Amino acid sequence: QQPVQSPQAVILREGEDAVINCSSSKALYSVHWYRQKHGEAPVFLMILLKGGEQKGHEKISASFNEKKQQSSLYLTASQLSYSGTYFCGTEGKTSYDKVIFGPGTSLSVIP
Amino acid sequence: DTGVSQDPRHKITKRGQNVTFRCDPISEHNRLYWYRQTLGQGPEFLTYFQNEAQLEKSRLLSDRFSAERPKGSFSTLEIQRTEQGDSAMYLCASSLVNQGLPYGYTFGSGTRLTVV
Repeated sequence: QQPVQSPQAVILREGEDAVINCSSSKALYSVHWYRQKHGEAPVFLMILLKGGEQKGHEKISASFNEKKQQSSLYLTASQLSYSGTYFCGTEGKTSYDKVIFGPGTSLSVIP
Repeated sequence: DTGVSQDPRHKITKRGQNVTFRCDPISEHNRLYWYRQTLGQGPEFLTYFQNEAQLEKSRLLSDRFSAERPKGSFSTLEIQRTEQGDSAMYLCASSLVNQGLPYGYTFGSGTRLTVV
């Protein structure tokens, strides 16, 4: 079942923060986050395994609440290069599963 | 490590024709996935392999679609009797599953299929 993402789209000015949410109706083993720029392939940002950990990648971090089957991606002090579509992807059951991607959140950072 | 390669980058075909796409994954990766993406949507799962074994095929995928990964190296995706609804970007990705732990996917640049 496809995860749900919110918001669908967001426009930020440089330096502002944003949060993108991802939720699933099924038990999760892991959550992936990817960014895709127009005309390019999705690029892996990070993976969070069940255990409620939070990971960071420069000014982009994420959390995973396995009990609520939710994950959030945090972008702080946004830069123009952060523009793109962000997809969460969820893996259920075991690690021998495949990722099901959400519909994406379009993020536009303007000067 | 040259990344994931897909060939061709673009394919225009007439409705009813067969098409075949190729994917060369990262050599150290044991998993290979095929996804389809249409404009404004997230990648839609089609099928995946662990080494040469095809572990799962999407129930949404018709019998016109078939994929192979001989010898656990490159993979091919064939679409028979193409329809206009098959027009999409076909993405290949590879990853490593090691000791039960998953890693992120590396995607290829995709093959854009247009059925006219």
